[in-house]
Amino acid sequence: QVQLQESGPGLVKPSETLSLTCTVSGASVSGGRDYWTWIRQPPGKGLEWIGHVYYSGNTFYSPSLKSRVTISLGAPKNQFSLKVTSVTAADTAVYYCARASVVLRNFDNWGQGALVTVSS
Amino acid sequence: QTVVTQEPSLTVSPGGTVTLTCASSTGAVSSGNYPNWFQQKPGQAPRPLIYSISYKHSWTPARYSGSLLGGKAALTLSGVQPEDEAEYYCLIYYGGAWFFGGGTKLTVL
Repeated sequence: QVQLQESGPGLVKPSETLSLTCTVSGASVSGGRDYWTWIRQPPGKGLEWIGHVYYSGNTFYSPSLKSRVTISLGAPKNQFSLKVTSVTAADTAVYYCARASVVLRNFDNWGQGALVTVSS
Repeated sequence: QTVVTQEPSLTVSPGGTVTLTCASSTGAVSSGNYPNWFQQKPGQAPRPLIYSISYKHSWTPARYSGSLLGGKAALTLSGVQPEDEAEYYCLIYYGGAWFFGGGTKLTVL
């Protein structure tokens, strides 16, 4: 059974960098079958796809966040991470990590989500 | 940037049938957009329901079905149950990125 768990600071100051890690069990981030994905949801609002990383390290990001986002694999640990630079209050959200199948193009496993608040 | 549009809210009676739709600003939704559907209840992570138009996950109840309808992706619930009251999001793939719809709040009344 595949499980994902987000971890990282719950409070970040404006203009600083938000950093989160997703720890994966039951599947390998180096396996080549999946896109390792970050998605976020501001309080009371809808979902937003942030981007994903492939086992090769190749990444693809949302056009609206591309200039501030980096997603990377956590080798040798079975993890992947998210960094968002120059954060503002608009980046306050629950951040989810998820697994998406390269072949099936589905998102079958999600973490429980981590709330990150941007505030001084 | 692709904008994905869903009905903001719908209401259905228990036992009834309702169809939620998902439209793309880039044109008709097709198999190449791999539409996915998710259900989210308050305080919970989204739960995947449908992928690639109409494929169900092993946990997806039989009363849920996905299709393409008039250039849009569609999610139909037949024989709606009270526990189907939730927010529903579609997700489509375009140009290497994925785009969520704004969500449909489904009320069972």
